[in-house]
Order: sequence, then structure tokens, then C-alpha cells
Amino acid sequence: GPKVLQIPSHQIIDMGQMVTLNCDPVSNHLYFYWYKQILGQQMEFLVNFYNGKVMEKSKLFKDQFSVERPDGSYFTLKIQPTALEDSAVYFCASSLLGGNYAEQFFGPGTRLTVL
Amino acid sequence: GQQVQQSPASLVLQEGENAELQCNFSSTATRLQWFYQHPGGRLVSLFYNPSGTKHTGRLTSTTVTNERRSSLHISSSQTTDSGTYFCAPSSNTNKVVFGTGTRLQVLP
Repeated sequence: GPKVLQIPSHQIIDMGQMVTLNCDPVSNHLYFYWYKQILGQQMEFLVNFYNGKVMEKSKLFKDQFSVERPDGSYFTLKIQPTALEDSAVYFCASSLLGGNYAEQFFGPGTRLTVL
Repeated sequence: GQQVQQSPASLVLQEGENAELQCNFSSTATRLQWFYQHPGGRLVSLFYNPSGTKHTGRLTSTTVTNERRSSLHISSSQTTDSGTYFCAPSSNTNKVVFGTGTRLQVLP
């Protein structure tokens, strides 16, 4: 089936540094999402993005977070500056259509460790 | 918002046994997906199944939409099936809403 790729699979950085997580979505998809899973906890929605804009974000999407997809390349999640509580696995997803029927295709995740 | 209850919370099987994982939810789901998460964290999509029955390999998903429930059946379990299984029924939202998961351990 369609595949979403995430680069890197693991990232370790020092608190206060900037980090960019990269997502290569399914090629013809138009809607993009980030989810966050703290170790041992439930997966939670962060943000969705369409047509160059954030459509919806949750309380977890702090001011230090930003997303973009410049020129149809990677869909990125940038955290600047990072904090200890940002340590988690971040999952990217994409869908062809938006709305509450659309199947979302998930990447394998990037494990972020903030020291 | 959607309330999701997965049962059992955890399950231990001997290799070769079958497993039945249940998902009950509070609102009719317009989208329902099942996911498998490796012990190391990697996420794999199993089914998109808002209604009816779907099969892939040893896995079968059955969703009864008007009863707000879905099940995942694993036949002839293998040690590599160990991990956490998430049901994600969503309604009236762009977000995928995940349940708390069933942690499966298959012993050799």
C-alpha cells in the first residue's frame, strides 16, 4: 500500500537546540498530520496542514512548534527550542482527502530524545 | 468527544493460539482504523474498516457500525505478533482518535 516515510528514525539532541523532523508523505496526498506519543502513553493529535496552512492544532502544539511543506517537498515539524517534555515518538500521516471519512496513512515514527 | 474502550488491556498467548481484540466506542465512527505498534515504537496500519469485515493474512477485522464496536481477530498467533494493537474510531473530526490499546504478548 501507499507508504509514508520519516527521516530520521531516531534523533537525540540537547535541550534548547532546534530539531526538524522530516516526513515524506504519499506522493499525491494533500492533507498532512503530525501526532505525538510519549513513551507508554496514548497517541495524540498535534496538527493538520492543507494547502500551505495549519488547519487545526491541539493544545500540545506549542508556540515552539511549526510545520511547513516548502515546494511540495518534505512535510516538516520544527521544534525551536526543544524542551525535555518534547521527548516522544512523532508520527507523520497523510491523506488524499480531508474530512472525517478519509483514511490516514501513517509513517513509522521518529523517536526524539531531548537530553 | 469520542470515547474508545479496548479490551483486554493486555493478553498473553501461547504461539498458535487465536486472539480476539475488542473495541467499543461511544459515537458512530465514520472512520475506523486498526494499527499495530512494534515493541520498539514503529507503527503499522492494519485495516481501514468503518463497516463490515476485512481480511489480510491471519488478521480479520469486523466492524458493526450501528453497534459501535469493532474486533480484530488474529489466528494462529506468532511471537512476531507481540506488540500493541490500537483501534482508532473517529467521527466528525479530521483527527484520528486512538484507543488505549491492547498489549499482546505471544510466547514461544
